[in-house]
Amino acid sequence: GDSVTQMEGPVTLSEEAFLTINCTYTATGYPSLFWYVQYPGEGLQLLLKATKADDKGSNKGFEATYRKETTSFHLEKGSVQVSDSAVYFCALSASGGSYIPTFGRGTSLIVHP
Amino acid sequence: DTAVSQTPKYLVTQMGNDKSIKCEQNLGHDTMYWYKQDSKKFLKIMFSYNNKELIINETVPNRFSPKSPDKAHLNLHINSLELGDSAVYFCASSQGTPRGNEQFFGPGTRLTVL
Repeated sequence: GDSVTQMEGPVTLSEEAFLTINCTYTATGYPSLFWYVQYPGEGLQLLLKATKADDKGSNKGFEATYRKETTSFHLEKGSVQVSDSAVYFCALSASGGSYIPTFGRGTSLIVHP
Repeated sequence: DTAVSQTPKYLVTQMGNDKSIKCEQNLGHDTMYWYKQDSKKFLKIMFSYNNKELIINETVPNRFSPKSPDKAHLNLHINSLELGDSAVYFCASSQGTPRGNEQFFGPGTRLTVL
């Protein structure tokens, strides 16, 4: 079945540091890929997405590139802020008939001043 | 205006009770979902409805029963609550299937079973 693997957290960084959160996937066909962010006490919200190979999704300084050859969708940001502290989820929806969305286990990011 | 709303936000109850969680979306979407998030933040889809028709029904105990009275509402009823049902339950919606389409999540309902 489909699956998403994310690096385990927590990831702890100082403000202005570079962020990478790794995400790899297994899916049939050509999935759409997403990054969602969950701030404390809130629901998930879409951060960025990519629907085909080599697409780059970007939002709020975050970027991720859909790499079909390595089945990866790593999240990056050049300079993190304290306000980026949250849990980040990589997700996919595959091209099968049911389109069941699959989420990774989430990676907690803690940014210190 | 809240796009996806859930009530209640917190629910504390005893084992064996029956409870319901309500969800409403005002985005005009045709697909709605229920997710369960455990204490380690793992998110698992439970159900999905498209135009009031059940399209996703993952391995969930039959004590859980979703009901969609119309496209804008998807309620979750849980019978005979167990300790393991304690979690945060999220409702979500999207226009069409999740493929390529953003899901909009509600704020969650934290269920605690004592």
